[in-house]
Amino acid sequence: NAGVTQTPKFQVLKTGQSMTLQCAQDMNHNSMYWYRQDPGMGLRLIYYSASEGTTDKGEVPNGYNVSRLNKREFSLRLESAAPSQTSVYFCASTRTSGITGELFFGEGSRLTVL
Amino acid sequence: TQLLEQSPQFLSIQEGENLTVYCNSSSVFSSLQWYRQEPGEGPVLLVTVVTGGEVKKLKRLTFQFGDARKDSSLHITAAQTGDTGLYLCAGARSGNTGKLIFGQGTTLQVKP
Repeated sequence: NAGVTQTPKFQVLKTGQSMTLQCAQDMNHNSMYWYRQDPGMGLRLIYYSASEGTTDKGEVPNGYNVSRLNKREFSLRLESAAPSQTSVYFCASTRTSGITGELFFGEGSRLTVL
Repeated sequence: TQLLEQSPQFLSIQEGENLTVYCNSSSVFSSLQWYRQEPGEGPVLLVTVVTGGEVKKLKRLTFQFGDARKDSSLHITAAQTGDTGLYLCAGARSGNTGKLIFGQGTTLQVKP
């Protein structure tokens, strides 16, 4: 039961470098999300995709881009990493974007930007 | 400014004690969820409440949604070491489908 799989789990970048976080779900969910988690701040929504072919900004989209490659995959790209983007990133999915839907999370990707 | 304020942010208690975690807002939510997160893992859903005044029980955990749907509480009876973790509340607002708003979390440590 893979659920939501994120890669890589750990990454260290230098300021200005770029990278892509990959996320895939095998639950045939329509909606996918990218959150970042920082100490004392809970989870903040970066981008989400309510369905294949659509993406929308969340609370903190600046410095990020996303691609909903197909129904299973949703990637997050940092074009020019900054120290402020040091965080733990979580991908999540839900069957629909309905307001009572359960979010299923991956294990997280810990990113450090030096 | 945090739209959903959780309190306390950190709680350290002995096994067997009771505790309550609060999740407050000035905004109305269509539904509210509680998640639990363990170190190195993603959050896992515990419960969803949708009706004002609703109370749900999950073994020793009792969840309540405020009558005005602006706040919620999580009460744990006779805490166990296995309850240790980060508890997060998350609210969904009407018209903002898909955009769950999370509180900052409450870290619970239950000591043996």
